[in-house]
Amino acid sequence: QVLLVESGGGLVKPGGSLRLSCAASGFRFSDQYMSWIRQAPGKGLEWLAYISHTATTIYYADSVKGRFTISRDNAKNSLFLQMNSLRVEDTALYYCAQGSPFEHWGQGALVTVSS
Amino acid sequence: DIVMTQSPDSLAVSLGERATISCKSSRTVLYSSNNRNYLAWYQQKPGQPPKLLIYWASTRESGVPDRFTASGSGTDFTLTITSLQAEDVAVYYCQQYYTTPYTFGQGTRVEIK
Repeated sequence: QVLLVESGGGLVKPGGSLRLSCAASGFRFSDQYMSWIRQAPGKGLEWLAYISHTATTIYYADSVKGRFTISRDNAKNSLFLQMNSLRVEDTALYYCAQGSPFEHWGQGALVTVSS
Repeated sequence: DIVMTQSPDSLAVSLGERATISCKSSRTVLYSSNNRNYLAWYQQKPGQPPKLLIYWASTRESGVPDRFTASGSGTDFTLTITSLQAEDVAVYYCQQYYTTPYTFGQGTRVEIK
């Protein structure tokens, strides 16, 4: 079955950096579009970034453009989100999701930005 | 950006009764070349990630009970739970995947009356 497992979350100070990973299994990762989506505590869903199966097409939400970078390693069935210049308002549960629409989701990685 | 607006924000329905959620987009999500509405519905239960229920505005994902039905086209969409069950208590989101930035509605919380 499809499994997406995020890792790399944690507590970071404002201005700091984190790199999230998403390990994929149970499907042909190299054929699938992937996205990162986040959910602030008690809030709704916010799409952040999209990467095509060959990484030739990438899109970002304005809220993270220039600060976050999505990437993938198809040989390792892995998706990444490099997050720089983190802000308090970036505190959220970060999900990786497969497809468009988002057919499968991971359980999420919690990122807390606080001094 | 396409703004997705759901109504109501919450509703309480008796077991076995109908629950109806509306979703309106600020611009059409109907792609004329293939006549498909790029609109999905998700269910999120407490402590869980969202689950895809409906795509192309009205196609149920595999394994989704047929009490979940959805309709609409262009800018106006509806998700109906025809006979609410206890396990349907959740927050429901619509989402457009017509164009980036992909956007979600604010969510509708469904509870048991």
